[in-house]
Amino acid sequence: SQKIEQNSEALNIQEGKTATLTCNYTNYSPAYLQWYRQDPGRGPVFLLLIRENEKEKRKERLKVTFDTTLKQSLFHITASQPADSATYLCALDKTGGFKTIFGAGTRLFVKA
Amino acid sequence: SQTIHQWPATLVQPVGSPLSLECTVEGTSNPNLYWYRQAAGRGLQLLFYSVGIGQISSEVPQNLSASRPQDRQFILSSKKLLLSDSGFYLCAWSVFRGRNEQFFGPGTRLTVL
Repeated sequence: SQKIEQNSEALNIQEGKTATLTCNYTNYSPAYLQWYRQDPGRGPVFLLLIRENEKEKRKERLKVTFDTTLKQSLFHITASQPADSATYLCALDKTGGFKTIFGAGTRLFVKA
Repeated sequence: SQTIHQWPATLVQPVGSPLSLECTVEGTSNPNLYWYRQAAGRGLQLLFYSVGIGQISSEVPQNLSASRPQDRQFILSSKKLLLSDSGFYLCAWSVFRGRNEQFFGPGTRLTVL
């Protein structure tokens, strides 16, 4: 069955450093991969979408890579700030589908 | 701009009682609508999605049902709640089929006792 794996252990980093989160998937050939941010007790907020034919996408301090051979996406936050502390969810989609598959997320803590 | 509303924000219900959660979207027409459930430490589980009024697709067998009486209104219901129905319920909308950038509501925290 389709599976998304995100590091269940929280990631603790120092302010100003780059945070790197990993999303691995199996038994799936997504056309799109998305990253969302979720704060405690709130709904997820869409951050970035990358297509299967794109290797990298950037938005301000965020960078996402997508390697369909490794079946992996990396999500980077450069110059991290305490306000970046949240849970980050990876999600996969197929073309023409509605069944987005979400990972359980990785909790990020950025210390001042 | 588009906004999505969900209510109530929190709900505590006894086992066997009925449930009705409502979601409305403003600022867009004919959105795709979704209901998800999120258990603690788990990913979002898609429960239902709808591409139009009266059109509901169910993803998992359960004692929940969904309805879409209006273009921008999505309702999640149950006739008799189970303990296992506890969780964080999220409504979401999207515009494009397949690209599916989804925009989530604030969620409803349901506790069944």
